[in-house]
Amino acid sequence: DAGVIQSPRHEVTEMGQEVTLRCKPISGHDYLFWYRQTMMRGLELLIYFNNNVPIDDSGMPEDRFSAKMPNASFSTLKIQPSEPRDSAVYFCASRSSGDRVPNEQFFGPGTRLTVL
Amino acid sequence: QKEVEQDPGPLSVPEGAIVSLNCTYSNSAFQYFMWYRQYSRKGPELLMYTYSSGNKEDGRFTAQVDKSSKYISLFIRDSQPSDSATYLCAMSGSTDKLIFGTGTRLQVFP
Repeated sequence: DAGVIQSPRHEVTEMGQEVTLRCKPISGHDYLFWYRQTMMRGLELLIYFNNNVPIDDSGMPEDRFSAKMPNASFSTLKIQPSEPRDSAVYFCASRSSGDRVPNEQFFGPGTRLTVL
Repeated sequence: QKEVEQDPGPLSVPEGAIVSLNCTYSNSAFQYFMWYRQYSRKGPELLMYTYSSGNKEDGRFTAQVDKSSKYISLFIRDSQPSDSATYLCAMSGSTDKLIFGTGTRLQVFP
């Protein structure tokens, strides 16, 4: 069974450009999480969805960031306009409310974003 | 002050050593405690999970939780070069969110 799929794996863009990151959660999972990881701040939760509905977006840094989940098998995180300080690795994770281990999240391989 | 504090390391040990990794936290509502392992350029993967206080052992790994001190530990016995990775503690209470430590980078050299 495929794990969480993220694309692209690497993205290099220039300041001011729009960036769209994509995620396909594990089939059957009803929670989806977007994280950002940097050396300085570690792994930070940006937003999470339950049954395609955004539940908590308090971690979204500012209005330049937006996330959508149009259906159970796809989510996007968009940054517009991008800035150099957005450079980080962005992870998508999913989990099932019926999993044996409460709150166990399964992570994708991440998207390494560099904004020049 | 962060809810979860973790020494970033790096920690460098010889093969066969016993490794101790630790996290402290401030939120007394946390009841689920996890350790994730993250290899370079990969996503984190769950390594150990503990509910409330106590110890849990799985092969060479032991997780300990001391809720009275708000302190959790992961011990690795007979460490191997393949254990070289970043170890992140993670915690949650009654919400759906996991709060992660910043991670400790471990290097086990032959």
